[in-house]
Formats: sequence, structure tokens, C-alpha cells
Amino acid sequence: GAGVSQSPSNKVTEKGKDVELRCDPISGHTALYWYRQSLGQGLEFLIYFQGNSAPDKSGLPSDRFSAERTGGSVSTLTIQRTQQEDSAVYLCASSLADGMYSNQPQHFGDGTRLSIL
Amino acid sequence: AQSVTQLDSHVSVSEGTPVLLRCNYSSSYSPSLFWYVQHPNKGLQLLLKYTSAATLVKGINGFEAEFKKSETSFHLTKPSAHMSDAAEYFCVVSTTSGTYKYIFGTGTRLKVLA
Repeated sequence: GAGVSQSPSNKVTEKGKDVELRCDPISGHTALYWYRQSLGQGLEFLIYFQGNSAPDKSGLPSDRFSAERTGGSVSTLTIQRTQQEDSAVYLCASSLADGMYSNQPQHFGDGTRLSIL
Repeated sequence: AQSVTQLDSHVSVSEGTPVLLRCNYSSSYSPSLFWYVQHPNKGLQLLLKYTSAATLVKGINGFEAEFKKSETSFHLTKPSAHMSDAAEYFCVVSTTSGTYKYIFGTGTRLKVLA
């Protein structure tokens, strides 16, 4: 079946511009996650959506970063006034409802490679 | 507080020899544990997960991991490495704190030599 889809796969933009990254999760998955992976580094958690609950934004690095999830499906991560240190791969993942015991595996997209000139 | 430590940032093995990727965790309760693999320019793919059933967990591509509570370890093994196993591997532990409940290890890069 269809997996997690992210677009664009690559994005090059100039410093100071705004960018929008899109994530289309697996149908029926109520949990959605955004991560950032800098070159040669591990995963940095950014934001987590679970159903209609308020998102967990505790990982967003600054107020230039925001994310929405419309209709409980597609999510958009927006970075305003981009800086060179924002260059990274942005990964999205989705999972079935993540209950108290956190045992649902996450399904990842292939990411958006963002380069800020 | 929960935490996860991947003891080796890089591991090199020869093709056909065993693979051992080490992961230790800290948790005040019985956590869920996962191993993911990431090939170049790809997202992460689940290899296996432990959720308090059998302590020896079998995953895809011949990988398995054993949950050892006494050693607080969840090491990933494979009897015979294949060239296609060259990738980055992440150990993940669940946590009870906060809304987002996963802690990712820093990753182990596996190199397979011909």
C-alpha cells in the first residue's frame, strides 16, 4: 500500500525566504511526527500531532518553525526567514494511535532535503 | 528518566561475518524498544520491536534482538552480514514522560567490507 509521502524531495532556497514542506501520512494513521536530520547526525524531534489533541511542539527550535495538520491528514511544516543552519533533511512519520505505552512503530517518508544558500 | 545509548557510532564487518550493534537503555518501567534502519537518502524503516512479549525478537532481513532486563540491553544481531546491510541503525526506547514518547539513539553506521 501507499506509504508516507513527502514533497518536495529536494528544495533549494535563498536565506531569508520562507519554505513549506508537505507530508501525506498513511491513511488511517492518527499520529504524525516531524523530525530534522542534519548531515551525519541523528534524528531531532520537532513536533507531534495525535488526532484532535493539541500538538506537542516541544521540539521546535525557534518561532520561525511552525506546523499544521489539516483535517487530521496532510501536514505542512513551515520555516520562515530561513537561515543556513536550517539546511537538513526533514523527515515525516506516521503511526496508528499512540496510546499510553508508546508501542506503535512509526512509518517514515523519504524526507525533504532542504538546502539554504 | 528514560534514555538510550548506542555504544558504537561506527561498526565495520566483513561480508559473511556476524553483526552486533549495541544498545543500552535506561527506564523505570518496562519500555517498548525498536530498531530502525536507514539506507542512504531514505527514511527510516522498522526492523523489529519489543513490547514485553518474547524477549528474543525476530525482525526483517535476518536481524534479531534480545531484550535483557538484567543488563538493560537490546543489542541487534545478524549471523551473516550482507553488503546490502550497510546503513545507519537507530535504537529507540519509549518513555512515559511528555506527550511525545520516543527517544532515539544517536545511530550506528554499519560498514560491510567485501
